[in-house]
Amino acid sequence: RKEVEQDPGPFNVPEGATVAFNCTYSNSASQSFFWYRQDCRKEPKLLMSVYSSGNEDGRFTAQLNRASQYISLLIRDSKLSDSATYLCVVKGAGYSTLTFGKGTMLLVSP
Amino acid sequence: DGGITQSPKYLFRKEGQNVTLSCEQNLNHDAMYWYRQDPGQGLRLIYYSQIVNDFQKGDIAEGYSVSREKKESFPLTVTSAQKNPTAFYLCASSMGTHDNYGYTFGSGTRLTVV
Repeated sequence: RKEVEQDPGPFNVPEGATVAFNCTYSNSASQSFFWYRQDCRKEPKLLMSVYSSGNEDGRFTAQLNRASQYISLLIRDSKLSDSATYLCVVKGAGYSTLTFGKGTMLLVSP
Repeated sequence: DGGITQSPKYLFRKEGQNVTLSCEQNLNHDAMYWYRQDPGQGLRLIYYSQIVNDFQKGDIAEGYSVSREKKESFPLTVTSAQKNPTAFYLCASSMGTHDNYGYTFGSGTRLTVV
């Protein structure tokens, strides 16, 4: 089983739509979780951390389900500028490095 | 402004050549990392360093070497032993490998073998 799995997409949605991505991780000892955004041919940028109780940042909502080992990202009222690849990222316990999923591509059309 | 600077942005390498990619940060971060990204693939860890004069192999270290002589700098050498070096190379830093914050990335170097 891959460490961090995501549906590669692409997810094609019209402006204003709500879209959700899921991600599963294999290491039950994982401690920290993130969503990164990567534009075409650019570096990844931190979108938001994911907390156990769930958290929201404007139009973006992240949820964590430790029992099922999955993370979700919900984007409401999609904008053209949301078109990008969204990377699910997991960190193990203690002194460990980040493990990245391959990403889910989102295309928002007018 | 604090950040990470990678250079060059584009690099062309001939077969059998060693090339060095530069990564400098002024964020006062202890930990630095090198990742490789291939089309349609996730980021794969090459090497990382938690402190000066110390570094560890990541998942795909073969054919690469690094040094960490200064806190600010973590150059990556792609040696001739790396059979398929064409990729997008990303350098990142964080306060440490023990913290729960994400990484800050540089803008990357695109390496092409010609």
